[in-house]
Amino acid sequence: DAKTTQPTSMDCAEGRAANLPCNHSTISGNEYVYWYRQIHSQGPQYIIHGLKNNETNEMASLIITEDRKSSTLILPHATLRDTAVYYCIVRGYSGGGADGLTFGKGTHLIIQP
Amino acid sequence: DAGVIQSPRHEVTEMGQEVTLRCKPISGHDYLFWYRQTMMRGLELLIYFNNNVPIDDSGMPEDRFSAKMPNASFSTLKIQPSEPRDSAVYFCASTLRITYEQYFGPGTRLTVT
Repeated sequence: DAKTTQPTSMDCAEGRAANLPCNHSTISGNEYVYWYRQIHSQGPQYIIHGLKNNETNEMASLIITEDRKSSTLILPHATLRDTAVYYCIVRGYSGGGADGLTFGKGTHLIIQP
Repeated sequence: DAGVIQSPRHEVTEMGQEVTLRCKPISGHDYLFWYRQTMMRGLELLIYFNNNVPIDDSGMPEDRFSAKMPNASFSTLKIQPSEPRDSAVYFCASTLRITYEQYFGPGTRLTVT
């Protein structure tokens, strides 16, 4: 799986959009970009994933650059409950759902009131 | 569905004692994963099962650790004998065969004194 680079921490004002960047310059053609987050003292929570097209769900949007070497997770209207560590993970799709996730250090997002 | 269920939520034990952590995956999920999280090493995969069969246990730290999945709705992670360096939060996660969305339980916080 390709390596990812994320900022250690970020601040965002409540109600504003939080934009979390991730670099994955060694990503290969069959690897997906996944985002999980971990709120303090809880288990990681799946947010969104994508291959090359931008994706949106009820939680967030994922913007992947055309060359796929970087991506941005967007929380459109951040709330205090979005304060968490956000993990960007790149991995291939074998069709079987197998293999565990490799978590890096992630970005600690702090939403300021 | 109640999600992934783990028990106990907290465990405090003395060095040398046997510890058993339990996990009930989401019904219908074919894959079950055990992760460990510490401040020093972050989140790391220990072992995972597919259809109750262990597939990859390369992350199990040593022979003191063992995991079983006797049926589709139950798994255990056992540490015998326990050591202070085993103190960590242990997470169980499950997923469907096709999708890569892993659903994590609340974790078991283990303290070995």
